[in-house]
Amino acid sequence: ILNVEQSPQSLHVQEGDSTNFTCSFPSSNFYALHWYRWETAKSPEALFVMTLNGDEKKKGRISATLNTKEGYSYLYIKGSQPEDSATYLCALGTNAGKSTFGDGTTLTVKP
Amino acid sequence: DVKVTQSSRYLVKRTGEKVFLECVQDMDHENMFWYRQDPGLGLRLIYFSYDVKMKEKGDIPEGYSVSREKKERFSLILESASTNQTSMYLCASTLAGKEHEQYFGPGTRLTVT
Repeated sequence: ILNVEQSPQSLHVQEGDSTNFTCSFPSSNFYALHWYRWETAKSPEALFVMTLNGDEKKKGRISATLNTKEGYSYLYIKGSQPEDSATYLCALGTNAGKSTFGDGTTLTVKP
Repeated sequence: DVKVTQSSRYLVKRTGEKVFLECVQDMDHENMFWYRQDPGLGLRLIYFSYDVKMKEKGDIPEGYSVSREKKERFSLILESASTNQTSMYLCASTLAGKEHEQYFGPGTRLTVT
């Protein structure tokens, strides 16, 4: 079983703050990394998929970077809003089609 | 939009009961997955399927079985429910070749008493 670690486990910020969290994974045999957002009472939804070292993806105020050589990805949220409150999951994909998920970072944005 | 539905949002069962959790997707996806999510443990893969009548064990298959008789439906079966199977169960599906773009259902919170 691959070890995918996310930090911090939870985060509380004020509206307007920018924040970032980390996903760490084994750097050998990297295939793909996914970020998902999981809001309470909803289904997890995909944010980004990244496959190449140095990949940077952006969706509105959220962006992500990938370093496959050192085995980490960062997710950044610029100017957090209350609607950004959710659990953010990263998942390491393998060429066998399975994904291993981290435990998630739960973000709470206070108005 | 892909839609993945699960038969129940909340379910309460007694120890020893046989439990069926149903998942249906409407986008002709080849691959389907069952996960459970517990506090502090993230999503853990129970079983997955790449095709009708095909199944593969995930990381924690003990105490579970699955059935995929039709492409759109993937069932998770707890043969004899136990209290340690109290959890949130999530189903997901993907297209072949896009295994990492998972579309999730809303989840079923199962409580075994």
